[in-house]
Amino acid sequence: SQQGEEDPQALSIQEGENATMNCSYKTSINNLQWYRQNSGRGLVHLILIRSNEREKHSGRLRVTLDTSKKSSSLLITASRAADTASYFCATVPTGNAGNMLTFGGGTRLMVKP
Amino acid sequence: GAGVSQSPRYKVAKRGQDVALRCDPISGHVSLFWYQQALGQGPEFLTYFQNEAQLDKSGLPSDRFFAERPEGSVSTLKIQRTQQEDSAVYLCASSPRAYEQYFGPGTRLTVT
Repeated sequence: SQQGEEDPQALSIQEGENATMNCSYKTSINNLQWYRQNSGRGLVHLILIRSNEREKHSGRLRVTLDTSKKSSSLLITASRAADTASYFCATVPTGNAGNMLTFGGGTRLMVKP
Repeated sequence: GAGVSQSPRYKVAKRGQDVALRCDPISGHVSLFWYQQALGQGPEFLTYFQNEAQLDKSGLPSDRFFAERPEGSVSTLKIQRTQQEDSAVYLCASSPRAYEQYFGPGTRLTVT
């Protein structure tokens, strides 16, 4: 079963707008990661935020983590048509020696040119 | 450099057939993971290797699923007597260190 839920399940915006996706999870975690998946392709790692971090930036990406609420958000600023993809959060639960990822259900983002 | 590769990219099997899915990880990566992704869903963990040792197989859905990595490099996921519910994309990922995983393009299995 999946660790949590992502919200919204689908998002459609115009190029240049910002896109915000939210993720909730259930257990305590070591870290939370965001991945992108283009249609028919594998997942690409975007950013990792550790449990003791609250915010992290990478280029046009901004990730926040609230461990008290067991939630995270991914913000993509100034979106481009090429950002069209599915975005997944994934967690590594505390004490997970193998570091296997537990994924959410994903947000399908469409950026219209 | 070369990423994670998987073969075949697409596989159609008749119900009851056995299939074997191959994963070539990035050279030198110690950890290897298999995930199953149903249509419209996020990936779900199947099994994990550290070198040749299968350290966790808790996600394998039934005893029809078997994975191996005999020399600590290439891995094969085998599904015996395939059923329609096995239809999914099977993703392989490798990792050189804790946390960051590099995914292959996946094998899309369709059982008819």
